[in-house]
Amino acid sequence: GDSVTQMEGPVTLSEEAFLTINCTYTATGYPSLFWYVQYPGEGLQLLLKATKADDKGSNKGFEATYRKETTSFHLEKGSVQVSDSAVYFCALSVVGGSNYKLTFGKGTLLTVNP
Amino acid sequence: NAGVTQTPKFQVLKTGQSMTLQCAQDMNHEYMSWYRQDPGMGLRLIHYSVGAGITDQGEVPNGYNVSRSTTEDFPLRLLSAAPSQTSVYFCASSSGPAGETQYFGPGTRLLVL
Repeated sequence: GDSVTQMEGPVTLSEEAFLTINCTYTATGYPSLFWYVQYPGEGLQLLLKATKADDKGSNKGFEATYRKETTSFHLEKGSVQVSDSAVYFCALSVVGGSNYKLTFGKGTLLTVNP
Repeated sequence: NAGVTQTPKFQVLKTGQSMTLQCAQDMNHEYMSWYRQDPGMGLRLIHYSVGAGITDQGEVPNGYNVSRSTTEDFPLRLLSAAPSQTSVYFCASSSGPAGETQYFGPGTRLLVL
């Protein structure tokens, strides 16, 4: 079945540090890949996505590249801010699969200190 | 444009009680889903709908019931609440299946005693 494995947290960084959150996947078909972010007390919102191999999704300074050869979609940001503190979820959805759903990783809690 | 709204925000139930979690969207999305979020488990799909009158089970459907009589509304019913259903519940909608962005509501926190 489909699955997503992402870096266990929590991750604690100082402001302006470099961020990487690793995400790898297993999919039965050809997936679209997503990063969702959940700020404290809120629902999830899409951060970025990529729908085919070698695509790079980007938003708010975050980037992730769809790597089919390594089945990965690692999230990166060059300089984090306190306001980036949140839980980050990697997810996939298989195009043409028999079930319509997002398969989520377990989430990574990021705390950025001033 | 309110997006996806959920009520209530917080609810306490006793074991065996029933209740309905409400979800509504004003984006004319065909696809709607219910997820539960538990610590260390990510989000898991309970039920989903691909249009009015069409629903199907996700990966953890037991103990939950849904219906979709209109495009806008997708309520989730707990028929006989159990402590294992203590969780945060999120409703989501999207304009299409795989590859499309899902828009999430703010969540309902449910405690079953």
